[in-house]
Amino acid sequence: KAGVTQTPRYLIKTRGQQVTLSCSPISGHRSVSWYQQTPGQGLQFLFEYFSETQRNKGNFPGRFSGRQFSNSRSEMNVSTLELGDSALYLCASSLAGQGTKGAFFGQGTRLTVV
Amino acid sequence: AQTVTQSQPEMSVQEAETVTLSCTYDTSESDYYLFWYKQPPSRQMILVIRQEAYKQQNATENRFSVNFQKAAKSFSLKISDSQLGDAAMYFCAYRSAQGGSEKLVFGKGTKLTVNP
Repeated sequence: KAGVTQTPRYLIKTRGQQVTLSCSPISGHRSVSWYQQTPGQGLQFLFEYFSETQRNKGNFPGRFSGRQFSNSRSEMNVSTLELGDSALYLCASSLAGQGTKGAFFGQGTRLTVV
Repeated sequence: AQTVTQSQPEMSVQEAETVTLSCTYDTSESDYYLFWYKQPPSRQMILVIRQEAYKQQNATENRFSVNFQKAAKSFSLKISDSQLGDAAMYFCAYRSAQGGSEKLVFGKGTKLTVNP
């Protein structure tokens, strides 16, 4: 089975712009979660989607949004980028309902805001 | 809210030796899952081992084993016969068993160096 695929791997954006990141989960996985990783704050949960519905949301401003499509692929969008949004964004997919299996991560998208 | 604490920012071990990474967590829930993830320089998070809170038996995966102490809310990872490829950041993570969410709460991580 193919793993979790995140695109693009690297992005450089300017303050004020917006960006869209994509995540294709493992085939059959219906839950997709997003995390932001920074040296200062570590790994922070952004949101989780299951069957096209947001099931859980972390403590991030409304500039961060996401969605999930019927094929379980997910996108996250960040509008009005700030320098502090520079981070590694990780996507994780899970076979929801099989909690002990754990979440499987993609290689991440490195976003740099200049 | 649940929290996860990894008190060792960095650890080092000699190749072929054994090392233990510490993790404590805080929760009021009785049913949950605990995980250890490894993040090498390639950045991809790799699931190392998982533990269900309702199981008293400690999980083992080849050279990796855990010491799960539910009452003490402790979940340490032991790596036996350390190899150079074990060098990475290691993250302890908590997942609630309530509500069906897959949300993980992570510790700050421990950077493991393996010396040849």
